[in-house]
Amino acid sequence: GQNIDQPTEMTATEGAIVQINCTYQTSGFNGLFWYQQHAGEAPTFLSYNVLDGLEEKGRFSSFLSRSKGYSYLLLKELQMKDSASYLCAVRWSHSNYQLIWGAGTKLIIKP
Amino acid sequence: DTEVTQTPKHLVMGMTNKKSLKCEQHMGHRAMYWYKQKAKKPPELMFVYSYEKLSINESVPSRFSPECPNSSLLNLHLHALQPEDSALYLCASSQGTDNNSPLHFGNGTRLTVT
Repeated sequence: GQNIDQPTEMTATEGAIVQINCTYQTSGFNGLFWYQQHAGEAPTFLSYNVLDGLEEKGRFSSFLSRSKGYSYLLLKELQMKDSASYLCAVRWSHSNYQLIWGAGTKLIIKP
Repeated sequence: DTEVTQTPKHLVMGMTNKKSLKCEQHMGHRAMYWYKQKAKKPPELMFVYSYEKLSINESVPSRFSPECPNSSLLNLHLHALQPEDSALYLCASSQGTDNNSPLHFGNGTRLTVT
């Protein structure tokens, strides 16, 4: 089956830049989503990649390499409110095109 | 504010109770979903409705019964639940079930089964 890997936890400093990586199995790949989830709240959509390259949205950017089965989420000018879990999810043809979720990366921002 | 509304926000029920979770969206989305999420785990898909028809049931026990009265509403009927069913139940919608439609989540119902 599909196996999505993300680091469990990362720590960064306010104002800095952090990169959260996500790797997945390339067979059946049909797009990759990044979501942000604050504790006790619902996930919110951040970005979508289906073609190779970088998608930029303000302070957040997401990159995809389909041949390598690799994506990253780049967060710039970190703010305390960016402390949250970041979930990578792959749309996979072998699961009726439903999302397969990574376990999430808990990002801790320190002053 | 989320555009997917879920009620109630919190629910405590006994193992013999019958209750319902409700979800509403007015974005014209044609796909609606129920997910279950345990603490520190990713969301786990339960059901998918596409154009008001059940298209995916991820082998969910029959004590969970979904219903889609119309394109804007999605219910989850609960009966004879177990304590291990305690979790955050998330409703989501998307324009369709095709490739580039992101899911929009409601704020969830925090369910506790006693």
